Amino acid sequence: GAGVSQTPSNKVTEKGKYVELRCDPISGHTALYWYRQSLGQGPEFLIYFQGTGAADDSGLPNDRFFAVRPEGSVSTLKIQRTERGDSAVYLCASSSPTGGADTQYFGPGTRLTVL
Amino acid sequence: AQKVTQAQTEISVVEKEDVTLDCVYETRDTTYYLFWYKQPPSGELVFLIRRNSFDEQNEISGRYSWNFQKSTSSFNFTITASQVVDSAVYFCALSEAGAGSYQLTFGKGTKLSVIP
Repeated sequence: GAGVSQTPSNKVTEKGKYVELRCDPISGHTALYWYRQSLGQGPEFLIYFQGTGAADDSGLPNDRFFAVRPEGSVSTLKIQRTERGDSAVYLCASSSPTGGADTQYFGPGTRLTVL
Repeated sequence: AQKVTQAQTEISVVEKEDVTLDCVYETRDTTYYLFWYKQPPSGELVFLIRRNSFDEQNEISGRYSWNFQKSTSSFNFTITASQVVDSAVYFCALSEAGAGSYQLTFGKGTKLSVIP
């Protein structure tokens, strides 16, 4: 079946602008994660959804970052007043929890560049 | 707090050589999960293996093998008879049962270059 998809694959924006990044998880996966990967680093956790609710948003760096998953499937990561330091690859992952840490499957990512 | 250390930043080997990628982790939980992911130049993270803390059996999958040792908090990954297609960045990751989200904590990765 189809894997996790993310759009756009690349996004270039100017400092101060608002951006939305979309994630379409694997069909039937109830858990959805967002991570951010800076150059030369491993991915860092941002937020976790179980169904429609954000069950853990402890990784969001500040209140300019927000994410939604209104129908329990597609999720949108929203960044307000973008800063150059927000430039990174934003990764989405989904899993189908059956108890314990089930495998998270990652999408191809969105490369965000803030000029 | 959980932490994953991959001390090797970059490794270069000649094709057909064996190579071991090191991973050391820190956690206070007794129940946790360890993962390895591969990130080829295309950028997409590819799942390789998942182990839970109660299963210390080593695992072999084709040319890949993993050595899990709780006594040294290590989960090392060996590629036998490396191939050029193995060139990628490899990440070790940890998930704690105490963190209800089972979020992954990644190491900084090891970049493996296999030279033909």
